[in-house]
Amino acid sequence: DAMVIQNPRYQVTQFGKPVTLSCSQTLNHNVMYWYQQKSSQAPKLLFHYYDKDFNNEADTPDNFQSRRPNTSFCFLDIRSPGLGDAAMYLCATSSAGTGVSGQYFGPGTRLTVT
Amino acid sequence: GQQLNQSPQSMFIQEGEDVSMNCTSSSIFNTWLWYKQDPGEGPVLLIALYKAGELTSNGRLTAQFGITRKDSFLNISASIPSDVGIYFCAGQPSNYGGSQGNLIFGKGTKLSVKP
Repeated sequence: DAMVIQNPRYQVTQFGKPVTLSCSQTLNHNVMYWYQQKSSQAPKLLFHYYDKDFNNEADTPDNFQSRRPNTSFCFLDIRSPGLGDAAMYLCATSSAGTGVSGQYFGPGTRLTVT
Repeated sequence: GQQLNQSPQSMFIQEGEDVSMNCTSSSIFNTWLWYKQDPGEGPVLLIALYKAGELTSNGRLTAQFGITRKDSFLNISASIPSDVGIYFCAGQPSNYGGSQGNLIFGKGTKLSVKP
């Protein structure tokens, strides 16, 4: 089945220790998104890639970076995690260019910062 | 910035009852989407709406794209315990210049079902 996969599902890191979350997709979608979701809140868009073009949201901290080495994979790098970065991180994909077809989400990675 | 007002914030209902929730905006939207999120999981797309007035069903779920393009509702008929979760509306406003599918999310409706 075509899907969006996130690894790991749970990640524990130490305060200030860099961490990378990964996302892969078999949908062959050209747009990939990273969201941060805190408890009882809606997902908040951090940035997205339209093909190879990176688009950062204005209020995304510099501490968050992303890489997309190919169509299928996208990574979220948190350079120096703080306690406030503990959250669920969601990857999503969509097929853009022909209008919005809906974003498809992965299962998320729950990040804990100790 | 753009906002979606989703209501109610939470609902406690008896199994078998029908449920209705809605989202409104002061802006015109091109697309409305409804997602369900279970605890510890990512949102799952339930229904996508692309035209004003469109009414779409997915099993016991029915959603409509409002005629004014500023609102949408989701109905769930004959609720069952597995309907428990958080339901999010999301949409793309018409004044968004790109075609990259960026969405604005409502704050969610938390549904609890008593057996």
